[in-house]
Amino acid sequence: QKEVEQNSGPLSVPEGAIASLNCTYSDRVSQSFFWYRQYSGKSPELIMSIYSNGDKEDGRFTAQLNKASQYVSLLIRDSQPSDSATYLCAVNSGGSNYKLTFGKGTLLTVNP
Amino acid sequence: KAGVTQTPRYLIKTRGQQVTLSCSPISGHRSVSWYQQTPGQGLQFLFEYFSETQRNKGNFPGRFSGRQFSNSRSEMNVSTLELGDSALYLCASSLSGDVSWPNSPLHFGNGTRLTVT
Repeated sequence: QKEVEQNSGPLSVPEGAIASLNCTYSDRVSQSFFWYRQYSGKSPELIMSIYSNGDKEDGRFTAQLNKASQYVSLLIRDSQPSDSATYLCAVNSGGSNYKLTFGKGTLLTVNP
Repeated sequence: KAGVTQTPRYLIKTRGQQVTLSCSPISGHRSVSWYQQTPGQGLQFLFEYFSETQRNKGNFPGRFSGRQFSNSRSEMNVSTLELGDSALYLCASSLSGDVSWPNSPLHFGNGTRLTVT
């Protein structure tokens, strides 16, 4: 059973702080990794995708991938109250086709 | 451009009945995936279709089935409903269905919330 584990929340940070979200996965052959954000009552939306070891930055978001450690993380700099949501880590196990295995998510609350 | 459209938004069914959910992908998208979301299990992959062919299937019983039409629209069917099938069913579409394409991310619809009583 391929698994994706996320650090248990909820995570609460003050406005302007860095929020750190972590994820580990069990399937060593996975090559594609994603972070989705889901607001309460809404559908998931893609924030970042990462395919290679190292860091990938997009605005206030940085995704980090370490395939040797089977570890993916998401850093949110200068956190805003609008970042308050559930963050879902997803790992693809369908080769080149979409077959995402999701973690159960980490609820982030950014306090003004 | 219209997003992924799922109908109906809400459904209430009785145990033992069957249900069909519909999904219209974003115009031009050829890959459609279905996911089940529950508070206990989170988001779980059901199946993925591309050009009317099922390419991947998740670990769900045979009561869950789907299909894709030539216009890329998709339906999923659940027969002999059980209480545990109560969930939010999410459809997602992708331009190419290839995860390595940076311009082909998954776009999720707003879901169909199914309640089985």
